[in-house]
Amino acid sequence: AQSVTQPDIHITVSEGASLELRCNYSYGATPYLFWYVQSPGQGLQLLLKYFSGDTLVQGIKGFEAEFKRSQSSFNLRKPSVHWSDAAEYFCAVGTNFGNEKLTFGTGTRLTIIP
Amino acid sequence: GAGVSQSPSNKVTEKGKDVELRCDPISGHTALYWYRQSLGQGLEFLIYFQGNSAPDKSGLPSDRFSAERTGGSVSTLTIQRTQQEDSAVYLCASSSRSGGAIGTQYFGPGTRLTVL
Repeated sequence: AQSVTQPDIHITVSEGASLELRCNYSYGATPYLFWYVQSPGQGLQLLLKYFSGDTLVQGIKGFEAEFKRSQSSFNLRKPSVHWSDAAEYFCAVGTNFGNEKLTFGTGTRLTIIP
Repeated sequence: GAGVSQSPSNKVTEKGKDVELRCDPISGHTALYWYRQSLGQGLEFLIYFQGNSAPDKSGLPSDRFSAERTGGSVSTLTIQRTQQEDSAVYLCASSSRSGGAIGTQYFGPGTRLTVL
C-alpha cells in the first residue's frame, strides 16, 4: 500500500523568503504525485502534479516541485513567498495514472510573517 | 466553467440520525471520489465511482456508510445512525478519467458535518 509522509507539521517563513515543503512517498510502482493547497474553509486546489518526464514540474502561483526517485521525495518549493500563500499544503500519491484513490500526507501548515 | 459543488455546506445533526450529503461533479467527468477530512485522521479516501459503479469502496469505515451515483453524475453519501466520530469535513472530487488517460482530481468545497 502507498503512503506519504510530510515531516513538517507547521512551518513559519517571512514574506519574501524562500520555501521548501518536504514530502516523501512509499509506493512500489510508478508514483503519480500531487501537491494540493487548502485555504481555511476551502476545498483543495491543485498546485502541480508529476506523472513522468522532466523531474522538475512547474505549477500555479509560482510553485515548483522536484521528483527524486532515489530519495522517494517530491518536495515543493517557491523562491519568494507572499502573504497569500499562508495555507495548508498536502502532498498526495495516486495510483493508476492518478485515476483512483489519492493517499494524502498529513499536511504542512504554512504561516507567513511580515 | 462550474466546479464541483457540494450540499449542504454545513450540517449539524443529532447522534443516531441519518444524513445525506450531495455532490455535483464537473459536467462530463466520469470519475467521482469521496474523501473525509478530520482532525485525528487527516484526509482519508472513502469511495470511488467510475460511471455509476464503485470499483473501490475500501475506505468506507463501516456499514453505516453508503454511497450511490445516478446517471453518471450526482452522488449521494449517506451515513446512517450517525456517531460523534463521524464529525468531519466530507470532500468530493471528480476527474475526467478515460481509459489509461491521466486524471486530475478536482475538489469541491466540502460539507462540514457535526454530530452532537
